[in-house]
Amino acid sequence: QQQVKQSPQSLIVQKGGISIINCAYENTAFDYFPWYQQFPGKGPALLIAIRPDVSEKKEGRFTISFNKSAKQFSLHIMDSQPGDSATYFCAASDPRTGTYKYIFGTGTRLKVLA
Amino acid sequence: EAGVAQSPRYKIIEKRQSVAFWCNPISGHATLYWYQQILGQGPKLLIQFQNNGVVDDSQLPKDRFSAERLKGVDSTLKIQPAKLEDSAVYLCASSPNQETQYFGPGTRLLVL
Repeated sequence: QQQVKQSPQSLIVQKGGISIINCAYENTAFDYFPWYQQFPGKGPALLIAIRPDVSEKKEGRFTISFNKSAKQFSLHIMDSQPGDSATYFCAASDPRTGTYKYIFGTGTRLKVLA
Repeated sequence: EAGVAQSPRYKIIEKRQSVAFWCNPISGHATLYWYQQILGQGPKLLIQFQNNGVVDDSQLPKDRFSAERLKGVDSTLKIQPAKLEDSAVYLCASSPNQETQYFGPGTRLLVL
């Protein structure tokens, strides 16, 4: 119940296309859902985050769509660029214990072709 | 604002040896985390500190791993003795509010 399932494992998109990465969870107590971007040799960097009281959040070319009833959320990267090539991780946080511990998905390796 | 600093960046050791990693969080961040990231997987939390107290170490293999956070600032993570399966990237993160976490570049450990 503490898992966050992420798909696809890898994704190849043409420059200018839309990249879509999906995550699903079971624990309805999760209440904070961040997405992290990680380049090789670097630590993960926060990209965008959403709470379950909002169905969509957009920041520049990045959009999170959230479906509370389906317990799913997804990251959309519009007008994908070669510089977006990285590994993307979704995560979920359970505040009940007071620790806000992150449970990460397994990651999606995105390659945007020039 | 300076980010989370970690050292060393890379470490190669033989199995059964000991190793220590250091983390300096963002100034003013009360919460500090250590994660283990095995190749091809998402980060897994090992231990979480609030100031210099441990709030979650449920996934820390306590027979070989230890961590401390002196004076609520810097932290060290130690592995003794190391096993082959400890080969991973060890990430340190800090947070001002326990919600948004900021990660350091990580220490890549290879155990031979």
